[in-house]
Amino acid sequence: EVQLVQSGAEVKKPGESLKISCKGSGYSFTSYWIGWVRQMPGKGLEWMGIIYPGDSDTRYSPSFQGQVTISADKSISTAYLQWSSLKASDTAMYYCVRSTGLQGGGFDPWGQGTLVTVSS
Amino acid sequence: QSVLTQPPSASGTPGQRVTISCSGSSSNIGSNYVYWYQQLPGTAPKLLIYRNNQRPSGVPDRFSGSKSGTSASLAISGLRSEDEADYYCAAWDDSLSGQVVFGGGTKLTVL
Repeated sequence: EVQLVQSGAEVKKPGESLKISCKGSGYSFTSYWIGWVRQMPGKGLEWMGIIYPGDSDTRYSPSFQGQVTISADKSISTAYLQWSSLKASDTAMYYCVRSTGLQGGGFDPWGQGTLVTVSS
Repeated sequence: QSVLTQPPSASGTPGQRVTISCSGSSSNIGSNYVYWYQQLPGTAPKLLIYRNNQRPSGVPDRFSGSKSGTSASLAISGLRSEDEADYYCAAWDDSLSGQVVFGGGTKLTVL
């Protein structure tokens, strides 16, 4: 079974750093793109960016460029999303997704989500 | 403000057919595939339709997608109570350096 399993919920203070993870299993991790999608409380879905673990080719949404870093460690089939300095506005659910292609691939499956809460 | 425009809400009674629209532009829907996702309450979204009108295995044929020009639609026939969810359209957008854009989502209520 193809699965993406994300790390657990996080509670952080503004200014702190954070790295959340997404482990893929049941497929060739280096042959598919892994993306990240943000969902703020009570709001819709926003695409943040995507990485191809096979060669680490990474693309960002203009809205998130410079705000987060996407990376992957293919040796352990895990992708990451990290912040160097969190803000309260980063409070959201973050989903990792698998995609067959950069432009022509749908997101399937989705991870279970990682809830990030940033509060002083 | 989302790049793709969806009605915020839709409703229908069991057994009815409902459609949800998704309007975009030449840089997204007009030149790329459309995808639809279903998000049941308290759960992660799930791929419902890919490449405009294709259903992943396991998705009932009550769900269908279509695209014409810069607009797309999701149709649900034989509406069931378990279809009550949020539905999102998405497409690649060729503008700037390229990115995936989502609609704002449509909350479907089964009356």
